[in-house]
Amino acid sequence: QLVVTQSPSASASLGATVQLTCTLSSGHSSYAIAWYQQQPEKGPRYLMKFNSDGSYSKGDGIPDRFSGSSSGAERHLIISSLQSDDEADYYCQTWGTGIPKIFGGGTRLTVL
Amino acid sequence: EVQLVESGGGLVQPGGSLRLSCAASGFTFSNYWMSWVRQAPGKGLEWVANIHEGGSGRYYVDSVRGRFTISRDNAKNSVYLQMNSLRVEDAAVYYCARDEYGGYFQEWGQGTLVTVSS
Repeated sequence: QLVVTQSPSASASLGATVQLTCTLSSGHSSYAIAWYQQQPEKGPRYLMKFNSDGSYSKGDGIPDRFSGSSSGAERHLIISSLQSDDEADYYCQTWGTGIPKIFGGGTRLTVL
Repeated sequence: EVQLVESGGGLVQPGGSLRLSCAASGFTFSNYWMSWVRQAPGKGLEWVANIHEGGSGRYYVDSVRGRFTISRDNAKNSVYLQMNSLRVEDAAVYYCARDEYGGYFQEWGQGTLVTVSS
């Protein structure tokens, strides 16, 4: 069964770098995923998409502070030079032919 | 500028019906799949339904299949979600999203709140 797993919470200090991880379920390590940011009381915002080969592309206007990396079944969202408005919930999402689109449970990022 | 503006949310009793609308602008609406995604209070995101560019294909999450119907009017640049037999667990903010190639969501609306309560 296709599932994406995220840690419920993460924290890092202002100005630091944080890595959030989305893990694809066993047997699904080549699936594409997307990352979204949801600031408090706002709708989600698309950040980036990882292709099946692990390469990624960012959405329009997403700052250079946001980058990605991939290792096996893990897809990482890396945020550098953390700012206070990076404090948000971050969701990953995957999809496949003939199956529902699936979101991870989200990671709440706290900027200390 | 791409805009997705949802409307139609409100308070409804269990078993009742509601129709959500999403007005799109800033892109060629008829070239894109469209989706509805919901978020229950304090919970994560859940994809609900999507519809092919021409309206020929419609897909639903199991929990709403048979109760909800997604539709679109390309002449009005709008997508709709007819929700029947509403349950308490359907209460959520419902977001309209532009569905890229039937996969992920590059544009989102601000959402409309649906409350199901007696």
